[in-house]
Amino acid sequence: DADVTQTPRNRITKTGKRIMLECSQTKGHDRMYWYRQDPGLGLRLIYYSFDVKDINKGEISDGYSVSRQAQAKFSLSLESAIPNQTALYFCATSDSRTGHTEAFFGQGTRLTVV
Amino acid sequence: AQSVTQLGSHVSVSEGALVLLRCNYSSSVPPYLFWYVQYPNQGLQLLLKYTSAATLVKGINGFEAEFKKSETSFHLTKPSAHMSDAAEYFCAVSAPNTGNQFYFGTGTSLTVIP
Repeated sequence: DADVTQTPRNRITKTGKRIMLECSQTKGHDRMYWYRQDPGLGLRLIYYSFDVKDINKGEISDGYSVSRQAQAKFSLSLESAIPNQTALYFCATSDSRTGHTEAFFGQGTRLTVV
Repeated sequence: AQSVTQLGSHVSVSEGALVLLRCNYSSSVPPYLFWYVQYPNQGLQLLLKYTSAATLVKGINGFEAEFKKSETSFHLTKPSAHMSDAAEYFCAVSAPNTGNQFYFGTGTSLTVIP
């Protein structure tokens, strides 16, 4: 089983619909992140959470919201989806308590807004 | 703030030839540096990381990278390319003064020619 699991893996939705992408982890890490990947733009940070009560905006948070329901769960919502939110979305985790480590990524959610 | 520049969005090499993927970073404090690989339809996988120990870092699949502070570079190399190395490669930086957020470059797509 994957340590960082994203659901769904693929989703097609209509403009104006609300959609939630979910992420859960079994690594016991305190930090979680949401990125979106667009061709030629790399990965851009949407939101990040350093613990359940610490949620911060990233560089492209407009149009998105998040919820950290538990240490292991971090969901991303698009309140009213628009076509330019079509992208590949990644959840990631890291652990601040064992010295600085790398980010661990889920398999991604491919979202298409039509 | 931290930033990463990857020179060359597309690199092609012949099988058996040297692979060189360039990464330059900007950081006001000593950074941590990472190289990730992304195969089609998959998440990002860590190749190697620099966290202020040895400046020459060896990673998986025969890759290595050298941290050069004077050049603010962290280029990725592999002596002999294999067909299985064809993928997207991302350089990333993080630093304590920005809460150890991860900042990614725009990626380099590596093609290996038989």
